[in-house]
Amino acid sequence: DQQVKQNSPSLSVQEGRISILNCDYTNSMFDYFLWYKKYPAEGPTFLISISSIKDKNEDGRFTVFLNKSAKHLSLHIVPSQPGDSAVYFCAAGPGGGADGLTFGKGTHLIIQP
Amino acid sequence: DSGVTQTPKHLITATGQRVTLRCSPRSGDLSVYWYQQSLDQGLQFLIQYYNGEERAKGNILERFSAQQFPDLHSELNLSSLELGDSALYFCASSPGRVKAGNTIYFGEGSWLTVV
Repeated sequence: DQQVKQNSPSLSVQEGRISILNCDYTNSMFDYFLWYKKYPAEGPTFLISISSIKDKNEDGRFTVFLNKSAKHLSLHIVPSQPGDSAVYFCAAGPGGGADGLTFGKGTHLIIQP
Repeated sequence: DSGVTQTPKHLITATGQRVTLRCSPRSGDLSVYWYQQSLDQGLQFLIQYYNGEERAKGNILERFSAQQFPDLHSELNLSSLELGDSALYFCASSPGRVKAGNTIYFGEGSWLTVV
């Protein structure tokens, strides 16, 4: 049973446009949500996070939105740049169980020139 | 550089064999996590240790085991290896419980290929 779902395995966006990556979760005990970015042959790196008491967090070109009632979060990247091409993982925690994070399967973002 | 060190980076071994993956967490971090990334499965949580004690178990097979030593480094032991165990194994660490304002930091992973 996947508690964190990223339903789009891949997404292609033109350079300069907005990239929107989506994530849904089922565990209502999750109170902290994060996005990680992963390049090939590297470990995931932390990108941005949001606490469940907020509905928006912004950091430069990256904004994460949280809709608790819909159990949905999204990551907006604007403008998209070629270096943004990577796999993006949505993660949630702690969820009342492990202290760590539960990850989605990832979305491969491809920025087209 | 996340500060989490994993060895070896690459490993090729035969079915039925046993391997040990090693992880040194970031300085000061008490929690160590092991994740497995297979082709279609994203990051699957295997197990967590906190200050030497097992804290939580995820989708870890009985053929796999882990431990965290007094110096806080951790080892993941994989035995009776099967072809399907081929994957990227990540170690991550955090100071303690993940909560708003902190995160977990990943190493670069250990590529295991079982032939």
